[in-house]
Amino acid sequence: DIQMTQSPSSLSASVGDRVTITCRARQSASRYLNWYQQKPGKPPKLLIYAASTLQSGVPSRFSGSGGGTEFTLTINSLQPEDFAVYYCQQSYSARTFGQGTKVEIK
Amino acid sequence: EVQLVESGGALVQSGGSLRLSCAASGFTFSTYSMSWVRQAPGKGLEWVSHISSSSSTIYYVDSVKGRFTISRDNANNSLYLEMNSLRAEDTAVYFCARDNVLAATPSYYYAMDVWGQGTAVTVSS
Repeated sequence: DIQMTQSPSSLSASVGDRVTITCRARQSASRYLNWYQQKPGKPPKLLIYAASTLQSGVPSRFSGSGGGTEFTLTINSLQPEDFAVYYCQQSYSARTFGQGTKVEIK
Repeated sequence: EVQLVESGGALVQSGGSLRLSCAASGFTFSTYSMSWVRQAPGKGLEWVSHISSSSSTIYYVDSVKGRFTISRDNANNSLYLEMNSLRAEDTAVYFCARDNVLAATPSYYYAMDVWGQGTAVTVSS
């Protein structure tokens, strides 16, 4: 299986900031990379699939890029409801999640 | 309304067994692949197992191979996870998720687009 590593593990940001989270795969995951948001006590919510396609209903301030072994989730103009934990997940070979990135209020 | 509802979570002793169920509604269950994902207390998400719509393709994370069995009953819109030889490290909330093909060109891109609320499994040592 493909190991996924996210960085940073946590970050502090203010409302209105631009936030970037990186996900690296130990071997190529092509563009089989998804991003999820999870809030406390809730199941994850799909944000982006196939590395860069926004899931229906997700605000356009979220965007994804990358391919192969390096992927990025960007949140433009961070909103109060965006403080959460974000996970990447590959579906190239079985399934694997990254360890998560917690976005906290500065 | 598209919905997944897990059940079967419980407190069980180390070495014991448990069967989790996931009831699907609001969509044609038989045409979708499904996955189980777990989350240990205070930890991140860990994918556990995947089953294709016809049960022809099944995957497991290495840590549960030989102990867990995923299955489904398309006639009853249900997904199952049979867990044997349970260990303390299996303690987690277990989510079922629809593992959907959201893009089909140039290849099949899967993502988990519908999730249940989870069922808690606690393994005591």
